Amino acid sequence: EPEVTQTPSHQVTQMGQEVILRCVPISNHLYFYWYRQILGQKVEFLVSFYNNEISEKSEIFDDQFSVERPDGSNFTLKIRSTKLEDSAMYFCASSETGINQPQHFGDGTRLSIL
Amino acid sequence: RKEVEQDPGPFNVPEGATVAFNCTYSNSASQSFFWYRQDCRKEPKLLMSVYSSGNEDGRFTAQLNRASQYISLLIRDSKLSDSATYLCAVPGDTGKLIFGQGTTLQVKP
Repeated sequence: EPEVTQTPSHQVTQMGQEVILRCVPISNHLYFYWYRQILGQKVEFLVSFYNNEISEKSEIFDDQFSVERPDGSNFTLKIRSTKLEDSAMYFCASSETGINQPQHFGDGTRLSIL
Repeated sequence: RKEVEQDPGPFNVPEGATVAFNCTYSNSASQSFFWYRQDCRKEPKLLMSVYSSGNEDGRFTAQLNRASQYISLLIRDSKLSDSATYLCAVPGDTGKLIFGQGTTLQVKP
C-alpha cells in the first residue's frame, strides 16, 4: 500500500537554527499538508499546498515557516529560526483530490529544540 | 461551541465490551467526517470515512447525526489491540482537517 514517508524521524536542533523537514507524499496525490502535534495536545493544521502554491495557512505558520515542492516528489517544511515552542511532532499528509477526501499521514518527524 | 469536540476519556473497558465515542462539530455545512486511530507518539491512521448517514467496517461502526451535529464511533467486541486514542476530524472549507482532542480507549484483559 502506498504511503507518505518523512525524514528525519527525529531532529534535535539548537534554538535559532534552521531546520528542514522532508516528506514524500503518495505519488498520485495532489494536495499536501503539514500538521503539528505538541506533546499531549491535539493535532493542529499548519499549511496546505496545491498546484505549487499555498492554499491556506494557520496563525501558527508565521514568517519563520515556509514550504516548498522542489521537485516532483518531495515536499519540505522549513523553519528558519527555531524557538523552544517549535518542539513538536510534525506530520505531513496528502490526499488525492482535496476537500472531503481522507488524508493519509506520514509517520512524523519529532523536532526537539534545545 | 468548539469546532470539533470529543470527550478525552479515558474509557476503560474489558475485552469483549462494546464502547462508543461521540464527536460534536460546529459547522453544519460539513459534508465529510473521518475517524483516525493514533497510537502513542505515532501518526494518525485513517480508520473510517463517513459521508452519509454512517459506515461500517467489521467491528467498527460510525454513525452521523446531522440534526444534532455529532458523529459516533462504535467498537464491538473490543480487543486489547484496540487500545489507542481515537481522533475525530472534520474538513474545513479549504480542505484542512480540524481535529478533536481525541478519546483515549484502554481495553483491559
